[in-house]
Amino acid sequence: AQSVAQPEDQVNVAEGNPLTVKCTYSVSGNPYLFWYVQYPNRGLQFLLKYITGDNLVKGSYGFEAEFNKSQTSFHLKKPSALVSDSALYFCAVRERGNTGFQKLVFGTGTRLLVSP
Amino acid sequence: SAVISQKPSRDICQRGTSLTIQCQVDSQVTMMFWYRQQPGQSLTLIATANQGSEATYESGFVIDKFPISRPNLTFSTLTVSNMSPEDSSIYLCGSIQYFGPGTRLLVL
Repeated sequence: AQSVAQPEDQVNVAEGNPLTVKCTYSVSGNPYLFWYVQYPNRGLQFLLKYITGDNLVKGSYGFEAEFNKSQTSFHLKKPSALVSDSALYFCAVRERGNTGFQKLVFGTGTRLLVSP
Repeated sequence: SAVISQKPSRDICQRGTSLTIQCQVDSQVTMMFWYRQQPGQSLTLIATANQGSEATYESGFVIDKFPISRPNLTFSTLTVSNMSPEDSSIYLCGSIQYFGPGTRLLVL
C-alpha cells in the first residue's frame, strides 16, 4: 500500500522567513503526490500536485514542492512565510485501493504556525 | 477545477438519530469520495461512490451505518445512521482531487 509520512506535528517560522513542511512517501511505481491546506473551520484546499515532469512543482498562494526520488520526499516550501499561511497542511498520495478504485491516502498533517 | 458544496455545513444531533449530508459538484465527475476527519486526526476514506452502482466501502465502514446515494454525476448523499458521540467528526466529500468545505457533526 502507498503511504506518506509527515514527521513534524508542528512547524514554527517567523514571518518573512522561508518555510518547509516535510513529507516522505512510500510507493510502488510512480507516485502521484498532493499537498492540501486546511484553515480553521474551513474545508480542504488543493495546493499542488506532482504527477510527472519537472521535479519542482508550483502551486497556489506562492507555495511550491520539490519531488526528490532518491530521498523519496515531496517537501512543501515557500520562500517567504506570511502569518496568514498558518494552517494545517496535509500531504497525500493517490493509490489504487483494495476496492479497485483510485483514492487519496493522507499523512497525519503538520500544523504551520507563522509568527509576526 | 471543480467547485463542491455541502449541506449542512454543521449540525448538532442527538444520539440514535440519523443525518443526511448532501454533496453537489458543479461539473460531472465519475467518482465521488466521502472522507471522515475525526477531531485532531487526518482524513480517512469512508467510501467511493460511482453513479448507478452501489458505493464501495473501505475496511471498517459498512453500508448500514453509512448509506450513500449517487443518483447522478453531480450529486451524492451520505447518511450517518444511528449516531453515537464517536461519530462526531468532519465529513468531507470530494472528487479525486477537490473537496467540499466539510460538514461538522457533533453528536450529543
